[in-house]
Amino acid sequence: AQSVTQPDIHITVSEGASLELRCNYSYGATPYLFWYVQSPGQGLQLLLKYFSGDTLVQGIKGFEAEFKRSQSSFNLRKPSVHWSDAAEYFCAVGARDYKLSFGAGTTVTVRA
Amino acid sequence: SAVISQKPSRDICQRGTSLTIQCQVDSQVTMMFWYRQQPGQSLTLIATANQGSEATYESGFVIDKFPISRPNLTFSTLTVSNMSPEDSSIYLCSVEDLEPGLVGNEQFFGPGTRLTVL
Repeated sequence: AQSVTQPDIHITVSEGASLELRCNYSYGATPYLFWYVQSPGQGLQLLLKYFSGDTLVQGIKGFEAEFKRSQSSFNLRKPSVHWSDAAEYFCAVGARDYKLSFGAGTTVTVRA
Repeated sequence: SAVISQKPSRDICQRGTSLTIQCQVDSQVTMMFWYRQQPGQSLTLIATANQGSEATYESGFVIDKFPISRPNLTFSTLTVSNMSPEDSSIYLCSVEDLEPGLVGNEQFFGPGTRLTVL
């Protein structure tokens, strides 16, 4: 069965600074990888996804993520954060049975 | 992408009662999923609901506690039965966005139903 680890429970970053959220997965085959964002009181919004091909994927809101098979990682990055990026971020891995397994989430706080 | 709505958006219920949550999609979808997000926790899959078949439940979840209906390709309900305070969570439905020829499809989520059990 697949699993996801997000090592950082909470990250605080200054507005305008760069952001990187870590995600490590465990899955026996080529994974389908996703990053979702959940703003307070909101549902989950898909930021980006990786299925195959180019290991650097671009998403919405200026986010990107890089798939590194050798490290079983799929870290999310943003060069310059905005106050509106304060939210909970979830990494997820999908299997061929279409089920998603989510990490515990990372809460991002943006300070002025 | 699919647009998903859920009703109710939130509710406060007494222990021992049941609540039925509705999930409506603006397009026909084959696979629908129900998740639970307990306070401060991540999402846990409760069950997969396909139209025309019984829902498939994940380990730790049973039909008697979380009966699910899937009467057509745009609608599903999840009932939380005989509630206790431990059932206080956000319940989310999601759908698989199937594109022809694409494997590993993404899921789109509804806004969630925030349930508080007293």
